[in-house]
Amino acid sequence: ETGVTQSPTHLIKTRGQQVTLRCSSQSGHNTVSWYQQALGQGPQFIFQYYREEENGRGNFPPRFSGLQFPNYSSELNVNALELDDSALYLCASSQGVDYEQYFGPGTRLTVT
Amino acid sequence: AQSVSQHNHHVILSEAASLELGCNYSYGGTVNLFWYVQYPGQHLQLLLKYFSGDPLVKGIKGFEAEFIKSKFSFNLRKPSVQWSDTAEYFCAARYSGAGSYQLTFGKGTKLSVIP
Repeated sequence: ETGVTQSPTHLIKTRGQQVTLRCSSQSGHNTVSWYQQALGQGPQFIFQYYREEENGRGNFPPRFSGLQFPNYSSELNVNALELDDSALYLCASSQGVDYEQYFGPGTRLTVT
Repeated sequence: AQSVSQHNHHVILSEAASLELGCNYSYGGTVNLFWYVQYPGQHLQLLLKYFSGDPLVKGIKGFEAEFIKSKFSFNLRKPSVQWSDTAEYFCAARYSGAGSYQLTFGKGTKLSVIP
């Protein structure tokens, strides 16, 4: 059984640029959640996708957006990057919205 | 706002010592509780979960946690730690009702086990 995978592993961007992060969910999972983990902090919920629809959103501005595809993989897009967006971005998948979430290795984004 | 508090930022233990990591969650009705572990260089892994039923939950690698509703607590325990338990531990809560889809995490507790 393949776990949650994310790409790329690391990314360096300049302030004002746009970035797309990708996530492949675990086999049999239809729900993907995205989290931002700043250094020394716990993960913070960005949003969740369930069967290709956004199913909830945390306290993040609209420049954070996402997509889920028919195969349940997902993208996180961040526009107009700011220095504070530097963090580890985690993707988690689950069998449904109320099941336990399994995390991928994350994408380390550095904004300079 | 719903929140999760972890009491200790960094815990240092010798091998074979007993471990207890504190976790408190804010009141918000029905709650599901989780402990995740992040070993150095690895991704977050689920250690154990509480949804309902027996408040004493057993997880992987000899870890257990006890849900005490009256204290809003879900402390993680292990009778005898090993050097390989060195990691960061995160407590997380998911509340029923509106917003039930998201996990709210504590800030984490770093555990260092000295051989």
